[in-house]
Amino acid sequence: SQKIEQNSEALNIQEGKTATLTCNYTNYSPAYLQWYRQDPGRGPVFLLLIRENEKEKRKERLKVTFDTTLKQSLFHITASQPADSATYLCALPASGGSYIPTFGRGTSLIVHP
Amino acid sequence: KAGVTQTPRYLIKTRGQQVTLSCSPISGHRSVSWYQQTPGQGLQFLFEYFSETQRNKGNFPGRFSGRQFSNSRSEMNVSTLELGDSALYLCASSLAFADTEAFFGQGTRLTVV
Repeated sequence: SQKIEQNSEALNIQEGKTATLTCNYTNYSPAYLQWYRQDPGRGPVFLLLIRENEKEKRKERLKVTFDTTLKQSLFHITASQPADSATYLCALPASGGSYIPTFGRGTSLIVHP
Repeated sequence: KAGVTQTPRYLIKTRGQQVTLSCSPISGHRSVSWYQQTPGQGLQFLFEYFSETQRNKGNFPGRFSGRQFSNSRSEMNVSTLELGDSALYLCASSLAFADTEAFFGQGTRLTVV
């Protein structure tokens, strides 16, 4: 069955640096991939969607890459700020043609001032 | 426009009881999905309703059920509560087409004692 892997260890970085989070998947060839941000006790908030024919997508300080050969997406936050501290989830549509997002467990990002 | 509204925000129930959670989607969204989030399992898909019909179902026991009304509002019911049902229950609404983002509510924190 399909599997989505995100680093379970928290990523600690210094303010101003670039944070890079990884999402790997197996047994699957998704047509697109999404990234969400989740703050404690709240629902996830959509950030970016990247399609299989797109190598890179940017939105303000965010950048997402999608390597369908490696089955990997990288999520970058440049010039990180303490307010960027949150858990970041990648999501893929469930296999079998469904568009229902299946989520990874997320990686916690902590940006230190 | 108003976001996804979930009620109640917090709930404490006793083992063996049943509980009903409510979700009002964004106006115009006909798809409502429910997720269970726990620290150990992450975000797990429960089921999706579209136009009052259950369209997709996750791998949860029959104690978990739901329904959707003609105004797209949805309810989720859990019967014979177990301690392991303690979790954050999230509702997401969407336009129900591929490539679209899911809009999440703030969730209902259910504690079973």
